[in-house]
Amino acid sequence: DVKVTQSSRYLVKRTGEKVFLECVQDMDHENMFWYRQDPGLGLRLIYFSYDVKMKEKGDIPEGYSVSREKKERFSLILESASTNQTSMYLCASSQPGDRDLAQHFGDGTRLSIL
Amino acid sequence: LAKTTQPISMDSYEGQEVNITCSHNNIATNDYITWYQQFPSQGPRFIIQGYKTKVTNEVASLFIPADRKSSTLSLPRVSLSDTAVYYCLVGGGGYNKLIFGAGTRLAVHP
Repeated sequence: DVKVTQSSRYLVKRTGEKVFLECVQDMDHENMFWYRQDPGLGLRLIYFSYDVKMKEKGDIPEGYSVSREKKERFSLILESASTNQTSMYLCASSQPGDRDLAQHFGDGTRLSIL
Repeated sequence: LAKTTQPISMDSYEGQEVNITCSHNNIATNDYITWYQQFPSQGPRFIIQGYKTKVTNEVASLFIPADRKSSTLSLPRVSLSDTAVYYCLVGGGGYNKLIFGAGTRLAVHP
């Protein structure tokens, strides 16, 4: 089974801090994604990457950046955290092709910005 | 972009068949339809994917009419463990077109 591991289940940070969320997948998948999930809004795509050092903006990239230096690892960075970035963050991976929507998700990081 | 619309919530009883419909009027020619299940404190789990007509696996069936403007996820004989949020996803023609609906909260009662 594909395993997607997010480094923290819960994280509390302060406004203005630089925050790193780490994600690792063990199935050699080409594609990796970062989403945030908020009540009533479902999942929204922040950034995705289809190869090492490649990244594309999703629907809500403002206030975030990403890094993919190795195929198995995809990091989400909040350069200067703000309270409106308090949310559940979900990482996913997939292989390209017809089933590229069959994404494998981690269990999420619940981030609180105080 | 193909936005999706689903019922906010549904209730059912153990042993019944549950059908959840998703509306996606602006689906593009190369878009696929995918459904996910999510339990509390877990990431979404892929259930089923289709392009047209009917797809069936060991967990569910997916019905897609010819115009593809909607789809129906069918869960046969639900149990209490099927209580979860179900998401309809339309996309595939470029990753920035991935759109998750707000999800349908299914409650299965004894």
